Amino acid sequence: EVQLVESGGGLVQPGGSLRLSCAASGFTFSSYWMSWVRQAPGKGLEWVANIKQDGSEKYYVDSVKGRFTISRDNAKNSLYLQMNSLRAEDTAVYYCARADYDILTGYPTPLFDYWGQGTLVTVSS
Amino acid sequence: QSVLTQPPSASGTPGQRVTISCSGSSSNIGSNYVYWYQQLPGTAPKLLIYRNNQRPSGVPDRFSGSKSGTSASLAISGLRSEDEADYYCAAWDDSLSALFGGGTKLTVL
Repeated sequence: EVQLVESGGGLVQPGGSLRLSCAASGFTFSSYWMSWVRQAPGKGLEWVANIKQDGSEKYYVDSVKGRFTISRDNAKNSLYLQMNSLRAEDTAVYYCARADYDILTGYPTPLFDYWGQGTLVTVSS
Repeated sequence: QSVLTQPPSASGTPGQRVTISCSGSSSNIGSNYVYWYQQLPGTAPKLLIYRNNQRPSGVPDRFSGSKSGTSASLAISGLRSEDEADYYCAAWDDSLSALFGGGTKLTVL
């Protein structure tokens, strides 16, 4: 059974940092693109970042570029999101999701077939 | 404001057929596949439709997707009370980013 379990969320002050983790099991983690998707309270879904199977390619939404870093450890079947210079507008539930990719282009797709339960990040003073 | 535009709300009575639209541009829907997600209250999103019109195993055939040009639609036939949820479209954009629509809240009257 595929499982994705996020951790690391919490309350942080504006300008602070937080590192989210996602533990994967039930599939060959190193064979998949992985993503972070967030949802602000009462709002819609927003894709945050993607990382390639071997970590060699990463893509980010413009609003987090230069502040967030997605990474992975295939030996530990784990995905991470390092979040720095946090702002109030980063407050959201952050989901870890398994992603597909386009065989022709090599780019990831927004086919997220498995999701974690989410971890809440609150940025407030 | 989302680049993929969805109506904020939709409604229907049990047994009815409802459609939810998703409008984009040539750099996203016009040149890439469309995906649809269902999010029940308090839960993670669930993949409903992939590659415009394909259903993952376990998704009832009451749900169908289509795409034409820079727009896409999700149709739900034989509406049921358990279909009451938020629905999101998504597509890859040629600017190397994934996009979600703003979401449509479906109410079963």
